[in-house]
Amino acid sequence: DTGVSQDPRHKITKRGQNVTFRCDPISEHNRLYWYRQTLGQGPEFLTYFQNEAQLEKSRLLSDRFSAERPKGSFSTLEIQRTEQGDSAMYLCASSSGGDRAPYEQYFGPGTRLTVT
Amino acid sequence: AQKVTQAQTEISVVEKEDVTLDCVYETRDTTYYLFWYKQPPSGELVFLIRRNSFDEQNEISGRYSWNFQKSTSSFNFTITASQVVDSAVYFCALFNDYKLSFGAGTTVTVRA
Repeated sequence: DTGVSQDPRHKITKRGQNVTFRCDPISEHNRLYWYRQTLGQGPEFLTYFQNEAQLEKSRLLSDRFSAERPKGSFSTLEIQRTEQGDSAMYLCASSSGGDRAPYEQYFGPGTRLTVT
Repeated sequence: AQKVTQAQTEISVVEKEDVTLDCVYETRDTTYYLFWYKQPPSGELVFLIRRNSFDEQNEISGRYSWNFQKSTSSFNFTITASQVVDSAVYFCALFNDYKLSFGAGTTVTVRA
């Protein structure tokens, strides 16, 4: 059984550059979530997809951030004009819908972003 | 608004001691779910236990046990006979609607 995968695992970029992260959820899961975790804090919700529809966005997701899930499978999270404050671990999670409880979220290993 | 508070920032114990982690939550919802996750140094969040709001029965699962008290909005978690491999950051989380709200985490260090 393949879990949630994320790529890359680590990314170092210079301030002002754009970065894109990819998340591949568990294949039968139709719900996908992005969270951000800064040092010493718990993960914070960023956005949520059900199939290809982005149903909710946190106010943490500024206009420099955009997320897509074009075919309801993998998702990408892009950060434009990165700032040092964007340095964090970006976590992806997925869960199934329908009769299964959506609270059973399975997390990927995360992408650690460092903005220099 | 939902909020999860983990008052303990760090706990250090010697192997075989018991460790209890405190969690207090706030929510206006009558139906919700509470979780404990473990995050080892590798970074991946590992699901440990779940409890729903309409079942206050406390249980034991192996070396893990939990104490859910709706009256005090607390969901405490205990590791019995701790081991070095239990060293990690532990997060309490509250699920409602579509998202998880996490506490700030408690770093547990188990010394041999």
